[in-house]
Amino acid sequence: SQTIHQWPATLVQPVGSPLSLECTVEGTSNPNLYWYRQAAGRGLQLLFYSVGIGQISSEVPQNLSASRPQDRQFILSSKKLLLSDSGFYLCAWSVGTGVPPGGYFGAGTRLSVL
Amino acid sequence: EDQVTQSPEALRLQEGESSSLNCSYTVSGLRGLFWYRQDPGKGPEFLFTLYSAGEEKEKERLKATLTKKESFLHITAPKPEDSATYLCAPAGTQGGSEKLVFGKGTKLTVNP
Repeated sequence: SQTIHQWPATLVQPVGSPLSLECTVEGTSNPNLYWYRQAAGRGLQLLFYSVGIGQISSEVPQNLSASRPQDRQFILSSKKLLLSDSGFYLCAWSVGTGVPPGGYFGAGTRLSVL
Repeated sequence: EDQVTQSPEALRLQEGESSSLNCSYTVSGLRGLFWYRQDPGKGPEFLFTLYSAGEEKEKERLKATLTKKESFLHITAPKPEDSATYLCAPAGTQGGSEKLVFGKGTKLTVNP
C-alpha cells in the first residue's frame, strides 16, 4: 500500500532563516505531488504541484520554492523565512493522468516563524 | 475564478441528531468533487469522490451527494467520534491542468 512521509512534524524558525521541508511517497511510481499551506481560519491553499522529476508549477507568488529531485521526493524551501510563512504545510500525492487529482495527504508540518 | 463555499462554518449536534453539511461550488470543467475529514493537527483524510450530478456515496454514517452546483454531506445518527472538520474540494480544469480547490470547511462537534 502507498504511504506518504512528511517531516519534521513541527518546526520553529526565526525570521530570515532558511527552510527545508521534505516529503516522500512509498508504494507508487510517478505520482503527482503537491504542497499546500493551511493558515488559521483559511482553506487549504495550493502552493506547488509537480507531475514529474524537475517539473514544478507554482500557484502563488512568494518567497517559497519547491524541487523534485527524485520521482517520489518533494521538497519545499525558502532562503529567508517571513512571519507570514507561518502555517500548517501539507504534502499530498495522487496518481494517474486524466484522473481528478484527489490527493492523499501527509501528516503535515506545523511551522512557526518568530 | 473557481470558488467553493461551505456552510455552516461550525455545527454542534447531539449524539444521534442527524444533519447535513453544504458545499456550493463554481468550478470550470468539474472533474470530480472530493470530501475529506480533518482532525486537529493532522492532515486531511480522504472520504469520498463524486464524479457526476446525481451520484451518491456512503461510508458508515456519512452519505455524500452531488448536484451541478452543490454537494451535501449527510450525517445520520452521529457519534462523538465523528467530530472533525469536513472539507469539500472540487477538482476543476484551470489553465489546462487539474487542481483541487478547497473550501474552508465545516467544523462539526457531536456532543454525547
